[in-house]
Amino acid sequence: QKEVEQDPGPLSVPEGAIVSLNCTYSNSAFQYFMWYRQYSRKGPELLMYTYSSGNKEDGRFTAQVDKSSKYISLFIRDSQPSDSATYLCAITRGGADGLTFGKGTHLIIQP
Amino acid sequence: ETGVTQTPRHLVMGMTNKKSLKCEQHLGHNAMYWYKQSAKKPLELMFVYNFKEQTENNSVPSRFSPECPNSSHLFLHLHTLQPEDSALYLCASSHDSDGRYSETQYFGPGTRLLVL
Repeated sequence: QKEVEQDPGPLSVPEGAIVSLNCTYSNSAFQYFMWYRQYSRKGPELLMYTYSSGNKEDGRFTAQVDKSSKYISLFIRDSQPSDSATYLCAITRGGADGLTFGKGTHLIIQP
Repeated sequence: ETGVTQTPRHLVMGMTNKKSLKCEQHLGHNAMYWYKQSAKKPLELMFVYNFKEQTENNSVPSRFSPECPNSSHLFLHLHTLQPEDSALYLCASSHDSDGRYSETQYFGPGTRLLVL
């Protein structure tokens, strides 16, 4: 079983729609959860960082963590064509560990 | 320059060549990382350095050799690579405080490597 599972998509939605992106993980030792956005030919850009179960909101973005289900989500409200990118979930145990990434979901927002 | 920079942005090399990738961070961080991103695969952690000391080598072949002369610079020396090593190589940095890493890492734009 892979440590982090993420549907690679592509996921195509119309402009203005609410987007839901998800990852599941297998190891309950993971404590820190991040979402990165990666545009084509660019490095990943940190979008959201959460530690505990629950929701965290930043503008149009909401990150949700359910540690009991080992399930993390990113919601994008009022999606824009500029949101078209690959979204990567990343998790870590903390400490000296690097990040463990999902494969990334390719999101396309249609104008 | 701000953030994390990487040079070169693109590199084509033969299997017998020796080349080096360079990463520089301008964020005052003291932990640096190399990741490999191949098509249709998750980013893979390669190496971790904290205060210039290598703290993790994620079973990377010896044809990849990292060097961290100071907290701001990180190199990846390449020699006798294989075509399957073609990928995007990403550098990242984070802040470590009292021996505990910050979990948030900031990435450079990457070096796209093609091995012929």
